[in-house]
Amino acid sequence: QKEVEQNSGPLSVPEGAIASLNCTYSDRGSQSFFWYRQYSGKSPELIMSIYSNGDKEDGRFTAQLNKASQYVSLLIRDSQPSDSATYLCAVNTGNQFYFGTGTSLTVIP
Amino acid sequence: SAVISQKPSRDICQRGTSLTIQCQVDSQVTMMFWYRQQPGQSLTLIATANQGSEATYESGFVIDKFPISRPNLTFSTLTVSNMSPEDSSIYLCSVVWQGETQYFGPGTRLLVL
Repeated sequence: QKEVEQNSGPLSVPEGAIASLNCTYSDRGSQSFFWYRQYSGKSPELIMSIYSNGDKEDGRFTAQLNKASQYVSLLIRDSQPSDSATYLCAVNTGNQFYFGTGTSLTVIP
Repeated sequence: SAVISQKPSRDICQRGTSLTIQCQVDSQVTMMFWYRQQPGQSLTLIATANQGSEATYESGFVIDKFPISRPNLTFSTLTVSNMSPEDSSIYLCSVVWQGETQYFGPGTRLLVL
């Protein structure tokens, strides 16, 4: 079983819709959770971090964490074509960082 | 957050040669990593660069092929030795900031002919 799993997609949503990206992790001891955005040919860029159960909002982005279900999600409201990228979920478990394989998102104008 | 730079940003190299990639951080950091990302693939951790000691390599990566230096807490180099076309990839350094969050450098795009 992989440490972090994501649906590879591709996920397509129309402009203005909500994009929902999901991630599960295997280690219940994991404490820190991150979402990175990676545009084609660029390096990953941190967009959200979350440490506690519940929701964390930052602009159009909301990260949701459910430790009991070992589940992290990222919601992007009012999706824009500029949100088209690959989104990587990452988990910090005792100073070991594990990355998912990424979900490719396309926002259709 | 930490500001990370990498040199070179891209290079085209001949088979059998070596390339050294530099990673510079604007603040002292304890943990630095080197990753490879092949086209269309996710990140693969090559090694943890340890200050003052030998790097810790992941399975499938060896020091003879990917020697790493970490002379201080703000700088590291990764050398890709005896290159083949299979080494064509993006090489990324990353740092852990304040013990929690990992930030990536801009990457080095390597093409081996």
